Amino acid sequence: QSALTQPASVSGSPGQSITISCTGTSSDVGTYNLVSWYQQHPGKAPKLMIYEVSKRPSGVSNRFSGSKSGNTASLTISGLQAEDEADYYCCSYAGSTIVWVFGGGTKLTVL
Amino acid sequence: QVQLQESGPGLVKPSETLSLTCTVSGGSISNYYWSWIRQPPGEGLEWIGYIYYSGSTNYNPSLKSRVTISVDTSKNQFSLKLRSVTAADTAIYYCARDRCTSCFSGSFDPWGQGTLVTVSS
Repeated sequence: QSALTQPASVSGSPGQSITISCTGTSSDVGTYNLVSWYQQHPGKAPKLMIYEVSKRPSGVSNRFSGSKSGNTASLTISGLQAEDEADYYCCSYAGSTIVWVFGGGTKLTVL
Repeated sequence: QVQLQESGPGLVKPSETLSLTCTVSGGSISNYYWSWIRQPPGEGLEWIGYIYYSGSTNYNPSLKSRVTISVDTSKNQFSLKLRSVTAADTAIYYCARDRCTSCFSGSFDPWGQGTLVTVSS
């Protein structure tokens, strides 16, 4: 199965907002509200930031928000901070046969 | 809180079987789905498969013919076996729990710290 499509990199200055897109198909993102987002700092395990498209786990800053339109999900980070610099991955359910597929990852640089 | 720890050999020879165990501490393995996810060095994440504490499993179709995931509830552990490995299987292997109790939402939380497995002769 194909990975979900994410931009390789995005950047923003402290205090700004950025959005990372995650494009799938009608077989995954477009059909199921089971999209999650993960933050990964170098040498660390991924951390869940958003689940079920737009829900935030307890302890995750409300500067992180998620949404979906058609076959594309998005992660928005507002009020960028230096510690937000990391790789971000989206993940979606893709049906009972393929099950779960990840995006290729996006490197966020805080300028 | 629940913590996960992967263990197993860091070096496996080509054509042999990769075996890893994930030990769950701070909580019970019951009533949750448990996954293995891997990440080749410098690359993205790939879901390998999951097991429910009762033993039901589901695998990534691209790996299904070579993968077995099992659970030992008495030890609060679950395990991964990947047969006939090649250099392409070199990766950091993570174990993770689904945050949903008794359901699988693909919301992996928490994760283990990961263990690097290198396939080389």
